[in-house]
Amino acid sequence: IAGITQAPTSQILAAGRRMTLRCTQDMRHNAMYWYRQDLGLGLRLIHYSNTAGTTGKGEVPDGYSVSRANTDDFPLTLASAVPSQTSVYFCASSENSGAKNIQYFGAGTRLSVL
Amino acid sequence: QKEVEQNSGPLSVPEGAIASLNCTYSDRVSQSFFWYRQYSGKSPELIMSIYSNGDKEDGRFTAQLNKASQYVSLLIRDSQPSDSATYLCAVTGAGSYQLTFGKGTKLSVIP
Repeated sequence: IAGITQAPTSQILAAGRRMTLRCTQDMRHNAMYWYRQDLGLGLRLIHYSNTAGTTGKGEVPDGYSVSRANTDDFPLTLASAVPSQTSVYFCASSENSGAKNIQYFGAGTRLSVL
Repeated sequence: QKEVEQNSGPLSVPEGAIASLNCTYSDRVSQSFFWYRQYSGKSPELIMSIYSNGDKEDGRFTAQLNKASQYVSLLIRDSQPSDSATYLCAVTGAGSYQLTFGKGTKLSVIP
């Protein structure tokens, strides 16, 4: 059982380039999330999706877009990467979007934008 | 803006001692509270959840919640070197079920 798979594991990207971080889950969870984690700032929510076909903005959505065409996949796209988007990105999922639902995390993608 | 505050640490405890990790939150109507453990270079993993006032025990871990004081804590009994990690407190609100994370407390258990 894989749980949540993120790809790539790490990436070095030139500023201005477009990049899509992939996230796939095999738990049939309805809700999915993208976070970034930076030293001193903790985990911050970028975008979320409560169910397939819907998405919402989190705390730090600018410069990022997401789509949720099906239950399993939730890609995060940086249309034109900037150095401030250098971070570790975590995808997470939960069975539903209710308050008691536990979020499970993927292994993360370490992104450096130069 | 919902806030979740934790001491950044590092918190150092000797092996076998009790480690006490604390978290305060600003949103009075927060409903659910979670403790995640994150080893260096790894992803967060859930160790405890608590939803009502009082204590909840799971093995060596005890979560304590006091909604009146807007305070949640995690106690780790018989601390082991393998408990050395960063512990993240996370909180959900009433209107939004999104998690707000604290910045984490780094725990070091000294053999």
